Amino acid sequence: GESVGLHLPTLSVQEGDNSIINCAYSNSASDYFIWYKQESGKGPQFIIDIRSNMDKRQGQRVTVLLNKTVKHLSLQIAATQPGDSAVYFCAETPSPYKLSFGAGTTVTVRA
Amino acid sequence: ETGVTQTPRHLVMGMTNKKSLKCEQHLGHNAMYWYKQSAKKPLELMFVYNFKEQTENNSVPSRFSPECPNSSHLFLHLHTLQPEDSALYLCASSQEASSSYNEQFFGPGTRLTVL
Repeated sequence: GESVGLHLPTLSVQEGDNSIINCAYSNSASDYFIWYKQESGKGPQFIIDIRSNMDKRQGQRVTVLLNKTVKHLSLQIAATQPGDSAVYFCAETPSPYKLSFGAGTTVTVRA
Repeated sequence: ETGVTQTPRHLVMGMTNKKSLKCEQHLGHNAMYWYKQSAKKPLELMFVYNFKEQTENNSVPSRFSPECPNSSHLFLHLHTLQPEDSALYLCASSQEASSSYNEQFFGPGTRLTVL
């Protein structure tokens, strides 16, 4: 079906290390791919997006990589901080205004 | 108020009750969305409104009835719900829901428990 899934449900990372969160998507027609962060008691917060004609996009401490050959998306967080502890979702756009979300990866940062 | 706000933040209701969830966006957007977030399941799109017109109903049961009186407000009217409808209901908005991708901004959600 048209769904986006994350490879691992949980990720534990040492503070200061880099984090890599992976996601597999299924719809080759999706034009945008987005990463959201959801902290406890809050709604999803946009982190970064990437269009299908790009391979890499960088933001502040984050980098998103897109591999269309294997339908793989990843989010890299540099120098992970305690405030990065949250659930991370990838989403794809099977149509321009419809987001199809994956199940999420819970990231826990160890002090 | 800034961004997208939702009220109430928590709601407990019986299966025979009627209640409504409210969403308001302060971003000047023209599209609003309802999503359902259940435990251990991905976020599910329920409804989309673009310029007050419903453009998407993702096979949602009729016990959920949306209303969009203007581009800033969105309601979800609930009646005769089932325990499996217990979830976090998220509202989002974007500039438009059209042929171009627009970033969606989410509210904090209403945690609904159906007894």
